[in-house]
Amino acid sequence: LAKTTQPISMDSYEGQEVNITCSHNNIATNDYITWYQQFPSQGPRFIIQGYKTKVTNEVASLFIPADRKSSTLSLPRVSLSDTAVYYCLVGGGNSGYALNFGKGTSLLVTP
Amino acid sequence: NAGVTQTPKFQVLKTGQSMTLQCAQDMNHEYMSWYRQDPGMGLRLIHYSVGAGITDQGEVPNGYNVSRSTTEDFPLRLLSAAPSQTSVYFCASSYSKAGELFFGEGSRLTVL
Repeated sequence: LAKTTQPISMDSYEGQEVNITCSHNNIATNDYITWYQQFPSQGPRFIIQGYKTKVTNEVASLFIPADRKSSTLSLPRVSLSDTAVYYCLVGGGNSGYALNFGKGTSLLVTP
Repeated sequence: NAGVTQTPKFQVLKTGQSMTLQCAQDMNHEYMSWYRQDPGMGLRLIHYSVGAGITDQGEVPNGYNVSRSTTEDFPLRLLSAAPSQTSVYFCASSYSKAGELFFGEGSRLTVL
């Protein structure tokens, strides 16, 4: 299982941009980087996926440097409803399908 | 489409009992997996399957058994339940090895 390291928790105020960085030093060739969001009592939900450089969708951006040993999830102008746990996953390429969720980052957004 | 369906949603067992958590998906996904989630531990991979007839162990496989006789179903069997298996169990499926994971609603298991 490819190992990832994220901050345990982060706090933010409503309306701010939040950046969560994930370290994945042993990322394998062709592995993808995927981020999920989880609310209490629910299964995780897909946010965004990338392989290199920058990916943007309607809810987030994902920044991946050239060495791919880290990635940053950017949430623009967070709201209270963005309070959740965010997981960074690495896999799907040479690491195979066994995906390690780790402990994630617990984001608390306050007014 | 129902997506990923897990049953039961809640279950209480006594130590030593056996049971099966059911997982079914109607998206024709080849890849399926089982995770357990304990407080403060994130999700840990128990077993996974890359297609019918093919299963493999994840991070925490001990005490669990799986089989994949059809593309749709991926049951998780607890052979002899222990209190350490008290947890929330999530089943997930995806179309491809790197594809988006779709999760069920979870099954909350308590072993007394």
